[in-house]
Amino acid sequence: GQNIDQPTEMTATEGAIVQINCTYQTSGFNGLFWYQQHAGEAPTFLSYNVLDGLEEKGRFSSFLSRSKGYSYLLLKELQMKDSASYLCAAFNQAGTALIFGKGTTLSVSS
Amino acid sequence: KAGVTQTPRYLIKTRGQQVTLSCSPISGHRSVSWYQQTPGQGLQFLFEYFSETQRNKGNFPGRFSGRQFSNSRSEMNVSTLELGDSALYLCASSRDRTHTDTQYFGPGTRLTVL
Repeated sequence: GQNIDQPTEMTATEGAIVQINCTYQTSGFNGLFWYQQHAGEAPTFLSYNVLDGLEEKGRFSSFLSRSKGYSYLLLKELQMKDSASYLCAAFNQAGTALIFGKGTTLSVSS
Repeated sequence: KAGVTQTPRYLIKTRGQQVTLSCSPISGHRSVSWYQQTPGQGLQFLFEYFSETQRNKGNFPGRFSGRQFSNSRSEMNVSTLELGDSALYLCASSRDRTHTDTQYFGPGTRLTVL
C-alpha cells in the first residue's frame, strides 16, 4: 500500500525560509513530486526527485532520502504569492497513478 | 504550447442525474489521468488512460467511468450523482507511460450536486 503524510498547515513571514516535510510509504518507489496549488487553481509542477539528495531550482529546493522515505520542499525568501497548498506525491508501484498527500497549506504574512 | 483544457469549468447538477466531463491533453501527450479533489480527502486518483486503454483505476465505485479517444482527448462520466460527488475534478496529461513523466494539470471542473 501507499501512504503519504505531510503537515496540514504552516505559517511563515515574508523573506523567511520554510521547510515542508513529507514522509511516504510505498510498495515500490518511482520518484517523488512536489506541486503547488493556489486556491481555486490547478496544481502546478514544482519538482521531481528520484535520486537521493537536494535539487535546487531558484528559490525552491527539494530533498529526497529514499532510505528514510522522506522528502522536503524548501522555500527561501518567501513572498506573499507563495501562500498556497503544497502537495507531495509519489507514483504507485505500477507507475501509472500519482498518490497525493493531503497537502500543506502555507500562509505567508507580511 | 497550449495547456490541458477541461470543459465545462463549472457544473451544477441534482442527485440522480449523470454528468460528462471533458479533457483535452497537451498536444503530443498520450496519457490522461483523472483525479477528484475534495477538502476532506484531498486529491484522489480516479483512473488513467493511455492509447485509448484504461491502465489503472482508483478506489471509486462503478458509477465513475471514463474513456479516451484516438486523439487522446478523454471524458469521464459519473452516473446517478450523489451529494458526495461534489468536488473539483482534475485531469492531468503526460507524454508517455513512464513513471518519470511529469503530469500537467488542467484547471478542473467544479461539480456541485444539489
